Amino acid sequence: GNSVTQMEGPVTLSEEAFLTINCTYTATGYPSLFWYVQYPGEGLQLLLKATKADDKGSNKGFEATYRKETTSFHLEKGSVQVSDSAVYFCALSLNDYKLSFGAGTTVTVRA
Amino acid sequence: DTEVTQTPKHLVMGMTNKKSLKCEQHMGHRAMYWYKQKAKKPPELMFVYSYEKLSINESVPSRFSPECPNSSLLNLHLHALQPEDSALYLCASRNLADNEQFFGPGTRLTVL
Repeated sequence: GNSVTQMEGPVTLSEEAFLTINCTYTATGYPSLFWYVQYPGEGLQLLLKATKADDKGSNKGFEATYRKETTSFHLEKGSVQVSDSAVYFCALSLNDYKLSFGAGTTVTVRA
Repeated sequence: DTEVTQTPKHLVMGMTNKKSLKCEQHMGHRAMYWYKQKAKKPPELMFVYSYEKLSINESVPSRFSPECPNSSLLNLHLHALQPEDSALYLCASRNLADNEQFFGPGTRLTVL
């Protein structure tokens, strides 16, 4: 079946530090890959996506590259801010209506 | 309009109450979803509607009853819930041409 594994954290960083959240996947076929972010008390927002191998998704200083050879989609940001404190979910989707989510990573950025 | 709206934002109900959650989107998406989310866990899929017809029910108890009156609206009717049903209920919609789902802000449900 399809599944997503991401580092669970929690991750605590200082402002301006470098953030990496690892995400690997298992899928039968060629999935689309997503990172969603959930700020405290809110719903999920799409942060970035990639639909095929070697695509790089980017948004708000975050980047992730679809690596088919390592089945990975790691999220990175070069300099985090307090406002980046949130829960981050890696997810995949094939054309079967469903999103398969990772367990989520809680990130806390301290001033 | 790239927004999914949900009402109410918060809901407190007793175990004998009947209430409904409402979701609306005007993006022309023909797939709509209900998810249940516990704190700091990933959303769990409950129901999927495609072209206003129920296409997936993830073995959800009958005390949750979905309804899709038209292509823009999705309801979730609640009856005789249990305290363990307290959670954030998220609605999402999807353009069938791609795999991206757009989520609403959720309804925070508390069952007393």
